[in-house]
Amino acid sequence: RKEVEQDPGPFNVPEGATVAFNCTYSNSASQSFFWYRQDCRKEPKLLMSVYSSGNEDGRFTAQLNRASQYISLLIRDSKLSDSATYLCVVNKGRALTFGSGTRLQVQP
Amino acid sequence: DARVTQTPRDKVTEMGQEVTMRCQPILGHNTVFWYRQTMMQGLELLAYFRNRAPLDDSGMPKDRFSAEMPDATLATLKIQPSEPRDSAVYFCASGNTVGDNTEAFFGQGTRLTVV
Repeated sequence: RKEVEQDPGPFNVPEGATVAFNCTYSNSASQSFFWYRQDCRKEPKLLMSVYSSGNEDGRFTAQLNRASQYISLLIRDSKLSDSATYLCVVNKGRALTFGSGTRLQVQP
Repeated sequence: DARVTQTPRDKVTEMGQEVTMRCQPILGHNTVFWYRQTMMQGLELLAYFRNRAPLDDSGMPKDRFSAEMPDATLATLKIQPSEPRDSAVYFCASGNTVGDNTEAFFGQGTRLTVV
C-alpha cells in the first residue's frame, strides 16, 4: 500500500464549480500535511499547509481528519487557472512524502 | 524574491557519462531535498540534508548516485555512470525545518535525458 494515496482523476469541472479532492495516508504517526500544486512541466508549488483545525485561504479550504487518516482540499468557484495537478504531501518527521497527484481540468 | 536555483535546466547525455546537477537553496533554509519525478513513479525522494548533514539517502541507488552539500549555498547530485533509466526530472527543494514541520520550496528542476 502506498504511503499517500490520491485519486489520479482527471476531474473535469466547469468554471464556477466547487470541487473536492481527498487523500489518504497510511502512517498514523504523520505530523504535518500540505497541498502542492504542479502545472505541466513545472515544479511543485506549495499551495497550503493543512492544520488540525482546518484552514482556508480564499477559495481554497483544507481539512485534516486524523482519525480516518485523510486530508481534503476544497476549491470553490473554480477558475480556468486552477487547472493543474494537486499533490497531497505528508511528513512524519522525515522528508516529505508525495502522493501521485490528482489532475484537475476546469473547462469554460 | 528568494528561490531555489537549479542548473542545468536541461541535460542530454550518453549512457555511461557522468552527470552533475547543482542546486542553490534559499538562503537561511536548513533543509535540502533531492527528488526525482517520472510519469510512472511520481515524485520520489532521493536524499535530504539538514544543516548540511545527510539524513537519508535510502532512495538513491548507491552504486551510481551520490549527493553532497559542500557548503550551505550548494547541493550537488551526481550520477556516474548514467543509464537510460535515470532519465527523469530531478528537483531540489529547500525549507526551514521547525520541530517536525518543513514547508519546502522547489527549484525549476533539471530535465535529464540519457540516451
